[in-house]
Amino acid sequence: SQKIEQNSEALNIQEGKTATLTCNYTNYSPAYLQWYRQDPGRGPVFLLLIRENEKEKRKERLKVTFDTTLKQSLFHITASQPADSATYLCALDGYGNNRLAFGKGNQVVVIP
Amino acid sequence: NAGVTQTPKFQVLKTGQSMTLQCAQDMNHEYMSWYRQDPGMGLRLIHYSVGAGITDQGEVPNGYNVSRSTTEDFPLRLLSAAPSQTSVYFCASSQGLREWNTEAFFGQGTRLTVV
Repeated sequence: SQKIEQNSEALNIQEGKTATLTCNYTNYSPAYLQWYRQDPGRGPVFLLLIRENEKEKRKERLKVTFDTTLKQSLFHITASQPADSATYLCALDGYGNNRLAFGKGNQVVVIP
Repeated sequence: NAGVTQTPKFQVLKTGQSMTLQCAQDMNHEYMSWYRQDPGMGLRLIHYSVGAGITDQGEVPNGYNVSRSTTEDFPLRLLSAAPSQTSVYFCASSQGLREWNTEAFFGQGTRLTVV
C-alpha cells in the first residue's frame, strides 16, 4: 500500500541547533515533494518544493534534500529558534495530476 | 488579498443534519480542493476541482458533495452528517496543475463536530 511516513514523536531541540526531520514514502513515484508548516488551529503554510531531479533546495535557514533511490526527503532547520516550533508536513504528488498526498506531520519544539 | 477564506470556523451538527462549508479564494486559482484532518491520520483529500464546472473525487469522498460554479467558490456539502465526519476541514487552492505552481494555499479550517 502507499504510505508517507513521518516520525510521530515530537522533536525537542535546543535553540541554535539544527532540527532534522525525515519523510519516507512507499509505492509512490513523485515528480516533486513539498514541505509545509502548520501551527495549532491554523492551516498549513507552504515552505519549499523540491523536484525529483534536484538533490537539495535551500531557503533562508531551511534546507531540503530528496533522494528518490532511498525514497526519502530530509528537512533541516538550521540555527533553530523558538518561533520555529510547529508541526511540519511533507506532501507529494500522491494521487496523480499533481493532487497532493500528505504525511501525518512531525512536531518540532525548540527549547530556549 | 484575503487568500482562501473558509466559513464557518466552528460548527456543531446533529446526526442526520446537512450543511455546507463555504470556501472562497481571490487569487484566480484554477485548482481547489478539500481535505479533512483527523488526529493520527493526517490530511486526506475529499474532493477537488481543476476549474469551474469540473470536480472529481479524492481519497475519502463518501458523504460529501461539491460543485464549482465559479472560479472563486468551492463549497463542500455534507448530505447527512455522521459522527465519523467530526473533523477539521481545510480548503486549499493552487494556481494550476503544473509542478512549478502547485504550491497550495490553505484556509484557516472549519472545526466540525457531529453529535
